[in-house]
Amino acid sequence: NFVLTQPHSVSESPGKTVTISCTRSSGSIDSNYIQWYQQRPGSAPTTVIYEDKQRPSGVPDRFSGSIDSSSNSASLTISGLKTEDEADYFCQSYDSSNQVFGGGTKLTVL
Amino acid sequence: QLQLQESGPGLVKPSETLPLTCTVSGGSISSSDYYWGWIRQPPGKGLEWIGSIYYRGNTYYNPSLKSRVTLSVDTSKNQFSLRLSSVTAADSAMYYCVRDDFSDSEYDCWGQGTLVTVSS
Repeated sequence: NFVLTQPHSVSESPGKTVTISCTRSSGSIDSNYIQWYQQRPGSAPTTVIYEDKQRPSGVPDRFSGSIDSSSNSASLTISGLKTEDEADYFCQSYDSSNQVFGGGTKLTVL
Repeated sequence: QLQLQESGPGLVKPSETLPLTCTVSGGSISSSDYYWGWIRQPPGKGLEWIGSIYYRGNTYYNPSLKSRVTLSVDTSKNQFSLRLSSVTAADSAMYYCVRDDFSDSEYDCWGQGTLVTVSS
């Protein structure tokens, strides 16, 4: 089994760019897709990135995903931050026997 | 538009079995492209995948919960269900049912969640 590690929290000002990392403990980050979910307080999570870097319809292009094999990590980048982006963000991946979520990152836009 | 709705008891006693059902509307549970799953989230904590089931009954479970989890599906009612046995306070959580696109393991549709508390 593997673990996905995310920073507990990040903060940035409106209009700026923030990057949230997700590091896989074992196995290659590019061996299975990474998804990113946004969860606002009191709501169920929704997908902001799937298949490493794809955006669902309706998700603004301010959201982007990438993979870095050298650090065995994935990243979610949000540019032009808006106060509505304030939420918890979870990465998720899998292997042959399990589905794994990262611990989540609380994004504060202040 | 696909919708998922969880139902079940909000309070379960320790050592008992937690039963939850998810009703799917706006689409067929018998789609060949998807599994149907359960994910939980203790208050203030992260997400944990419990398991997923195909409409034909194929299942896969989180290894850490496998001994206590049973998933089933009723295609005639467009529903799938979770039973979690021998619950403890650690099983208190928001339980979400989800659609699992197994081509990439994205959970692309979520129910609103149902809060379950384990307490005597």
